[in-house]
Amino acid sequence: GAVVSQHPSRVICKSGTSVKIECRSLDFQATTMFWYRQFPKKSLMLMATSNEGSKATYEQGVEKDKFLINHASLTLSTLTVTSAHPEDSSFYICSASSKTSSHSTDTQYFGPGTRLTVL
Amino acid sequence: AQSVSQHNHHVILSEAASLELGCNYSYGGTVNLFWYVQYPGQHLQLLLKYFSGDPLVKGIKGFEAEFIKSKFSFNLRKPSVQWSDTAEYFCAAHAHNQGGKLIFGQGTELSVKP
Repeated sequence: GAVVSQHPSRVICKSGTSVKIECRSLDFQATTMFWYRQFPKKSLMLMATSNEGSKATYEQGVEKDKFLINHASLTLSTLTVTSAHPEDSSFYICSASSKTSSHSTDTQYFGPGTRLTVL
Repeated sequence: AQSVSQHNHHVILSEAASLELGCNYSYGGTVNLFWYVQYPGQHLQLLLKYFSGDPLVKGIKGFEAEFIKSKFSFNLRKPSVQWSDTAEYFCAAHAHNQGGKLIFGQGTELSVKP
């Protein structure tokens, strides 16, 4: 159980265009989804936390108007990179978790990531 | 601010050698601790986690980790590594009042020579 998918796995786009990345929890309802960015040989950097039905909470330094996050249902969150530029090229990873009664927060399960290349 | 440190950036071992990867966190309150593994070209997978109870946690694939509160540490161990353990290992923590946010360590690249 606890499978998270991402689509697409790879995307190449021209500078100035927008790209949407989907994150789905396949076999559980995710009350919270997280979006990370991973640079080569670097750790994961949390970009934002997304709760179903409410606005995402962005980390300091992350432009909310550039990285639009929508968490429309308990199984789907989307990240849209608007007006992408080459410096936005990266590996974007989502994770999903659901609250349990015994813990205030639960384990995060990660998607396979999306490789974005902006030309 | 809460942080997680992994002291070993790249570890190279021969098969059958024992492994210990260090992880320290900085937070005075209650934390949950995790070790994730990322095999080449694959997504992060949970190896093990500590929420409460027995500080020695057993995970998948023969890994274990020990939570030592006095040392703020959660080191990962495996008595005998295999070539297939070659991967990037991430320690992560989240505090109970942080809305589920995970703070990751820098990662440790493990290379196991056959």
